[in-house]
Amino acid sequence: GAVVSQHPSRVICKSGTSVKIECRSLDFQATTMFWYRQFPKKSLMLMATSNEGSKATYEQGVEKDKFLINHASLTLSTLTVTSAHPEDSSFYICSARGGGLGTDTQYFGPGTRLTVL
Amino acid sequence: TQLLEQSPQFLSIQEGENLTVYCNSSSVFSSLQWYRQEPGEGPVLLVTVVTGGEVKKLKRLTFQFGDARKDSSLHITAAQPGDTGLYLCAGAGVQGAQKLVFGQGTRLTINP
Repeated sequence: GAVVSQHPSRVICKSGTSVKIECRSLDFQATTMFWYRQFPKKSLMLMATSNEGSKATYEQGVEKDKFLINHASLTLSTLTVTSAHPEDSSFYICSARGGGLGTDTQYFGPGTRLTVL
Repeated sequence: TQLLEQSPQFLSIQEGENLTVYCNSSSVFSSLQWYRQEPGEGPVLLVTVVTGGEVKKLKRLTFQFGDARKDSSLHITAAQPGDTGLYLCAGAGVQGAQKLVFGQGTRLTINP
């Protein structure tokens, strides 16, 4: 099956610092990657869609300067939370989609728990 | 804007009982995925349904895609405590939209 990894799985940082989260597709090439945020006991909220080699498309209300997304290769996308504040504390999940696996299906990473003190 | 209404949002039943979770929309989807998520982990794909009227079975789980591709259901037979988790349906738009539309999720608890 399609495997997507995320690193780190858990991060605690001080307010004002930046945190980078990596998302990798391990056994397929991901033409498109997605970044989600999930609040406790809620469904997933899409933050942005990232296509390899181009700028990410952000959902309404998501600050692009706050959440920097880079998709430099077909197997790696990164989300950087800049100048993090306690309200950025959340569970961040990435997903990846590759054409050869069924165009619409997204495969999710295990998530990253971010806690900003 | 496409929406997926998922119900029920919470369900707590006894081991051995049957249950059905529904996802409904007024929009047509090219495909629909069902995921299961456990606390602190990412969603795990259970099934993708593509054809209207399609039925897929995964052990005690039966997934159905509506004839018009606007709705889907997940039926679990003889539920077990290991089925406990958050179940999410997600639809892909017909116009080649890349992103998925997610339902609100169903938090299922199976009591021993």
